[in-house]
Amino acid sequence: KNQVEQSPQSLIILEGKNCTLQCNYTVSPFSNLRWYKQDTGRGPVSLTIMTFSENTKSNGRYTATLDADTKQSSLHITASQLSDSASYICVVSSHNYGQNFVFGPGTRLSVLP
Amino acid sequence: DADVTQTPRNRITKTGKRIMLECSQTKGHDRMYWYRQDPGLGLRLIYYSFDVKDINKGEISDGYSVSRQAQAKFSLSLESAIPNQTALYFCATSDVTSSGTHEQYFGPGTRLTVT
Repeated sequence: KNQVEQSPQSLIILEGKNCTLQCNYTVSPFSNLRWYKQDTGRGPVSLTIMTFSENTKSNGRYTATLDADTKQSSLHITASQLSDSASYICVVSSHNYGQNFVFGPGTRLSVLP
Repeated sequence: DADVTQTPRNRITKTGKRIMLECSQTKGHDRMYWYRQDPGLGLRLIYYSFDVKDINKGEISDGYSVSRQAQAKFSLSLESAIPNQTALYFCATSDVTSSGTHEQYFGPGTRLTVT
């Protein structure tokens, strides 16, 4: 069964600190992996997308890594800000036709002053 | 103005009532989706549409129906609402990026409560 797991379920850090969120998947065949940020009460917004041949991609203070062999991805947030408080969702697609997005449950990040 | 809009944003209804959630988009995308989000679970696909009049069932379509009468609009109906349909509902659109992948764009969500 295609599944996406994320850890930790929730995380609390102090402003200015770094953190890393994890994503493991069993989706096959693999097409691409995305990380979304979802603010409370809002829809998810894309941060990064990586295909099979990419093993790292950055978007400002967000850096995503992908190891397609071990089927693992991570999202590293550098110098966290209060506005980083949100849920971060890992999504894996098994092909490019758009309807087969498998969503992880998300990691809830709280950044405290 | 937002590219993907949903109405209503919040709705409380009673068991057995029929309810419709509306989604509109100005992105010009052909593909549209309806998802529901429950605490602790990932978004789950209810229905999706690749073009006007094209309707496809997703993972959890039972108890729901959809209509795609125009490219810009995709509506979700609960024929007879039940309490376990209480959830956050998201509409999304997608289009092919320059790298050949599909990028999804989500609406702000509709919080539905069935009492």
